[in-house]
Amino acid sequence: SAVISQKPSRDICQRGTSLTIQCQVDSQVTMMFWYRQQPGQSLTLIATANQGSEATYESGFVIDKFPISRPNLTFSTLTVSNMSPEDSSIYLCSVEVPIGSGQETQYFGPGTRLLVL
Amino acid sequence: AQTVTQSQPEMSVQEAETVTLSCTYDTSENNYYLFWYKQPPSRQMILVIRQEAYKQQNATENRFSVNFQKAAKSFSLKISDSQLGDTAMYFCAFMTPYSGAGSYQLTFGKGTKLSVIP
Repeated sequence: SAVISQKPSRDICQRGTSLTIQCQVDSQVTMMFWYRQQPGQSLTLIATANQGSEATYESGFVIDKFPISRPNLTFSTLTVSNMSPEDSSIYLCSVEVPIGSGQETQYFGPGTRLLVL
Repeated sequence: AQTVTQSQPEMSVQEAETVTLSCTYDTSENNYYLFWYKQPPSRQMILVIRQEAYKQQNATENRFSVNFQKAAKSFSLKISDSQLGDTAMYFCAFMTPYSGAGSYQLTFGKGTKLSVIP
């Protein structure tokens, strides 16, 4: 498994501002993922962050709004830019971890709860 | 595209009883993985159980077991001897090789809110 931490755990922000969320893993991982979970909803993948390359964004998410950094194999950041109340969500990072026999699974961080006023 | 359907938005069970959460999925893939994740009020996503599609044997983890019916594309979770700490949202998820980056992409169902009643 992997131990994943996120900072901040929660924040309240004003519309028009930006917030950077940090994700730290206790081991080196190749693939990291950022998800959004809107109130009462399931998880939606925002982007996949592979160290050493540009993040790959899912349909409906763009780099200008959600820039991602992946400077090394244990760390990533997601920035929520020019926030509006519709960005109020829980943001979770996850990592892909090998579990043997060429198989992988994903473990999640504790999430960052964002409220935009 | 893969879809995951959880038809039970909410369920409740008496403590010490058994409950089964339903999940169906749709895919044209033959090689994939299925998961159940638990998200308690603390919102931490916790992996409960994992099933490889090529395995006929149903996965078990202590009080948690699955009924995997590949032909029917069904993947239900059975929780035995329910405990108060089992109260959480339960998400069924499907994982298939990611087409572009050579990695794996998770698709989640909408979740089932399970309440364990003392």
